[in-house]
Amino acid sequence: AQSVTQPDIHITVSEGASLELRCNYSYGATPYLFWYVQSPGQGLQLLLKYFSGDTLVQGIKGFEAEFKRSQSSFNLRKPSVHWSDAAEYFCAVGAGNGTPLVFGKGTRLSVIA
Amino acid sequence: DAGVIQSPRHEVTEMGQEVTLRCKPISGHNSLFWYRQTMMRGLELLIYFNNNVPIDDSGMPEDRFSAKMPNASFSTLKIQPSEPRDSAVYFCASRPSSSGNTIYFGEGSWLTVV
Repeated sequence: AQSVTQPDIHITVSEGASLELRCNYSYGATPYLFWYVQSPGQGLQLLLKYFSGDTLVQGIKGFEAEFKRSQSSFNLRKPSVHWSDAAEYFCAVGAGNGTPLVFGKGTRLSVIA
Repeated sequence: DAGVIQSPRHEVTEMGQEVTLRCKPISGHNSLFWYRQTMMRGLELLIYFNNNVPIDDSGMPEDRFSAKMPNASFSTLKIQPSEPRDSAVYFCASRPSSSGNTIYFGEGSWLTVV
């Protein structure tokens, strides 16, 4: 069975600082990996996804993520955080066969001045 | 293009009342998902449909919950009778057959049962 672990429940960073949100997955085959962002009172918006190919993927809003098979990780990064990035971030894994995604519990990002 | 449309956006109801949440998926999408989000349990899959057919409802918490998809453009999630522990945000999401596993979420229905 697939599973996703986001070890950090809450992270606080200063505006302009770099950011890395951790995601570890469990899946026997090559996974389909996703990061979604949820702003307060909103639905989940897709930031980026990895299906195959280049292990460093670029997403919207200046985010990127790197797939590391050896570590079963898909960490999300941003070089310089803006106050508007404060939100909840969800990592998800899928099997690529039409079955639903499995989501992590989320990491809440706070940005301070 | 219109995204996934959910209604109502917010509902407050009394315990014991019937609640019906509605979803219109993105046109052309053939899979539809209902998720529930709470602080304690995070995002849980309740049920999903492929081509209007329920595929897996093992996430539906109990018989008080039911979901239907009478056609490709409409689905409902019903709770009868509602209880305070059903208070949560309920998300509908849809997926086209051609996009791998990318799913697109609605804005959610915020349910409070008092």
